[in-house]
Amino acid sequence: DAMVIQNPRYQVTQFGKPVTLSCSQTLNHNVMYWYQQKSSQAPKLLFHYYDKDFNNEADTPDNFQSRRPNTSFCFLDIRSPGLGDAAMYLCATSSPVGRDNEKLFFGSGTQLSVL
Amino acid sequence: SQQGEEDPQALSIQEGENATMNCSYKTSINNLQWYRQNSGRGLVHLILIRSNEREKHSGRLRVTLDTSKKSSSLLITASRAADTASYFCATDEPTGANSKLTFGKGITLSVRP
Repeated sequence: DAMVIQNPRYQVTQFGKPVTLSCSQTLNHNVMYWYQQKSSQAPKLLFHYYDKDFNNEADTPDNFQSRRPNTSFCFLDIRSPGLGDAAMYLCATSSPVGRDNEKLFFGSGTQLSVL
Repeated sequence: SQQGEEDPQALSIQEGENATMNCSYKTSINNLQWYRQNSGRGLVHLILIRSNEREKHSGRLRVTLDTSKKSSSLLITASRAADTASYFCATDEPTGANSKLTFGKGITLSVRP
């Protein structure tokens, strides 16, 4: 089945040690998103790619970077994780109609712990 | 930035009862979407209603949209224990060249068997 796959499901890293989370999709959607979700909070958009165009949210810390080498894959790099970066990281895809966002397809998420 | 606000924050009902969840927002939207999230998992899209629509149905789900009041409601009829999850509304806001989907904090629904 076409889907959005995130690896790993659980990631443990040390304070300050760089970590990379990965996302792949078989939907051939042109838009890919990274959201951060902390416990009992709303998913917060970090950035998204519209094809190869990178769109960073104004309040996304510089500590967070992303790469999209091709349509299918997208990576989230956290250069120096702090304790406050412990969260669920959700990857999503969509195929917008014109300027409007249609429904998003989410992966199962990667739960990041920072020790 | 605008964020949908769901009400109530938590809802506990008996299996078979109906569950009604509300969402309010602040500015104009292209569409409003409802998502479901099981504990520790990703979000699953339930239903989308466009700004020019007032009501939509999908199975046991009924969503309404009142743009004059900037509010939406999600009704789940004949609830089941398997409906236990968090439910999020998301508003698609026009922002410049593209639009942006912003999520609310969610409603925790517990359906008791």
